[in-house]
Amino acid sequence: AQTVTQSQPEMSVQEAETVTLSCTYDTSESDYYLFWYKQPPSRQMILVIRQEAYKQQNATENRFSVNFQKAAKSFSLKISDSQLGDAAMYFCAYRSPSFQGAQKLVFGQGTRLTINP
Amino acid sequence: ETGVTQTPRHLVMGMTNKKSLKCEQHLGHNAMYWYKQSAKKPLELMFVYNFKEQTENNSVPSRFSPECPNSSHLFLHLHTLQPEDSALYLCASSQDWQRDQTDTQYFGPGTRLTVL
Repeated sequence: AQTVTQSQPEMSVQEAETVTLSCTYDTSESDYYLFWYKQPPSRQMILVIRQEAYKQQNATENRFSVNFQKAAKSFSLKISDSQLGDAAMYFCAYRSPSFQGAQKLVFGQGTRLTINP
Repeated sequence: ETGVTQTPRHLVMGMTNKKSLKCEQHLGHNAMYWYKQSAKKPLELMFVYNFKEQTENNSVPSRFSPECPNSSHLFLHLHTLQPEDSALYLCASSQDWQRDQTDTQYFGPGTRLTVL
């Protein structure tokens, strides 16, 4: 079974600086999908960024980018120019390839990110 | 309404009550999911429905009974719950994998359930 580990329960960063959240996973599959979700105090889980394992290029979405190291099974999230609105719980998630039907996500424990003004 | 909506947002119930949680998605998706989020634990998948058919039951106790009348609506019927069932219940939906191979899941705001 696949597992996802986020080793940093809490992180903090000064506003406008850069922070990196770590995620490692364990799988024997060669093709899969990885996601970062953000859950602010409002509780709505919001997709931040996603990465297909077959793509070597790291995904980017504005101030958010990932460092995907397939051999090391590492998928870290970098937030540049941190803003107060980035404060939230961040979850890393893994999903097997969809050959039929819907597939479940396996989530990490989450990292609580605090932005200091 | 857009995205995924859930009602009610908060629910307090006694152990002998019967209540239902409702989820509705306005994204044209074909798969819907129930998750349980407890304090200090990773999100736990409970049920998966694809094209109204249940494809996964993650060993959930029978006091939780899901219902999916169509691809846009998902219910979670609650009966004789225990205090340890208090948690945030999240609903999600995703597109058919043939139309979106990433099968990205989009979440609702959740229902905060407290069982007394």
